[in-house]
Formats: sequence, C-alpha cells, structure tokens
Amino acid sequence: EVQLVESGGDLVQPGGSLRVSCAASGFTFSDYSMTWVRRAPGKGLEWVANINRDGSEKYYVDSVKGRFAISRDNAKNSVSLQMNSLRADDTAVYYCATGRSLSYWGQGTLVTVSS
Amino acid sequence: DVVMTQSPLSLPVTLGQPASISCRSSQSLVSSDGNSYLHWFQQRPGQSPRRLIYKVSNRDSGVPDRFSGSGSGTDFTLKISRVEAEDVGVYYCMQGTHWPPYTFGQGTKLEIK
Repeated sequence: EVQLVESGGDLVQPGGSLRVSCAASGFTFSDYSMTWVRRAPGKGLEWVANINRDGSEKYYVDSVKGRFAISRDNAKNSVSLQMNSLRADDTAVYYCATGRSLSYWGQGTLVTVSS
Repeated sequence: DVVMTQSPLSLPVTLGQPASISCRSSQSLVSSDGNSYLHWFQQRPGQSPRRLIYKVSNRDSGVPDRFSGSGSGTDFTLKISRVEAEDVGVYYCMQGTHWPPYTFGQGTKLEIK
C-alpha cells in the first residue's frame, strides 16, 4: 500500500524558514518524480514544486522561485521542501504527491505564517 | 501559463441525480506524444485530495464507475451518473501537458440539495 506521510508543519513568523518532509513507502520511490501541492485557507489547489527521479531536475511555481528548494533522498525514501523568506500568503496545507500526475497524496502538513 | 476554467463553481445536486463539471483550458492540452494530460481530483471535507481520472478518461483503481471523464483539445467534462452522499466535496481539473507549472482549475464544490 502506498503511503505518504508529511511532517514539519508549524507556525512561523514572516521572513522565517521551515522545512517540511514527506516519508514514502509501499512503492519504489526512486522510480517516481515527486510533487508538492498546497491549499491555502479558502482557496484551491496550487502546484508548488516537482523533482525528478534522481533529483537532477527541479521545477517551481513562480511565486516560490528563489525562496523554496525541493530535494529528495532516495536512500531514505523521502522528499523535502525547504521554505525560506516565508510570507503570509504561503500559509497553507502542504501535500506531497507521487509523479507528475499526482497519483497518490499524503494527508498534508499545515504551515502557518503569522506574527 | 495555461489557465484552467471550471464551471460551475458551485453544484447543488439531488441524491441519485446526475452531475456534470466542465473544465476548459486556455490552450490545447494535446501533447507532442498524442496524450492529453488532463486529470480530475476529488477533495472530500477534511480529507486530502485523491485522483479520480487521469489522461482525460482513465478511471483510477477503486473509483466507482459512476464517475467518467471525457473531452479533447480544450474542453473536458467530469460526469457523475448518480450522485451519492459520499461524493460531496470539491472537484478540480489539472493540466500536466504544458509545464511547469501544472495548473489547476478553481475547483467546483458539489453539495447535496
């Protein structure tokens, strides 16, 4: 059974940093690219970032470029999102999902940016 | 970026009746490989999203056959043949043909009348 478990969500002040992670199991992790998607309160889903299978290619939505960094550890079956210079509009539940077509999703982790 | 436009944004439906959600893209979603990377997701209240349909019309494992997807080019539709109580939630289309970025529709909130 595919399982994706996000962790690391927290309350952080504007301008601060946070790292969220996703632990994967139940499939061959290194065979899949991985994606982060977020949903801000009262809003819809927004694609945030994607990393390819070996970590050599990374893509970001314009609003997070230069502030967020996606990485993966295939030995540990995990993918992470380092978020710097956080802003109030980054407040959201962050989900990791498998592949480019988002076949499986985790339960999400809440990031709140507020003073 | 490709803009995805869903309609309606709110969809009250009587139990047992059909429902239909439209999704239009600002440019054709036909890829150079001939596939159209248009997917549908459901997010029930308090749950994480799950994929229902991939590449326009392919139902995911475990998805009831009352859900179906169709369309081509820039116009796509998700249909529910007979709405059940468990179908309440928000439905999103998403394109993965012209990326980055992947782009979602605004979401359609289905509720029971």
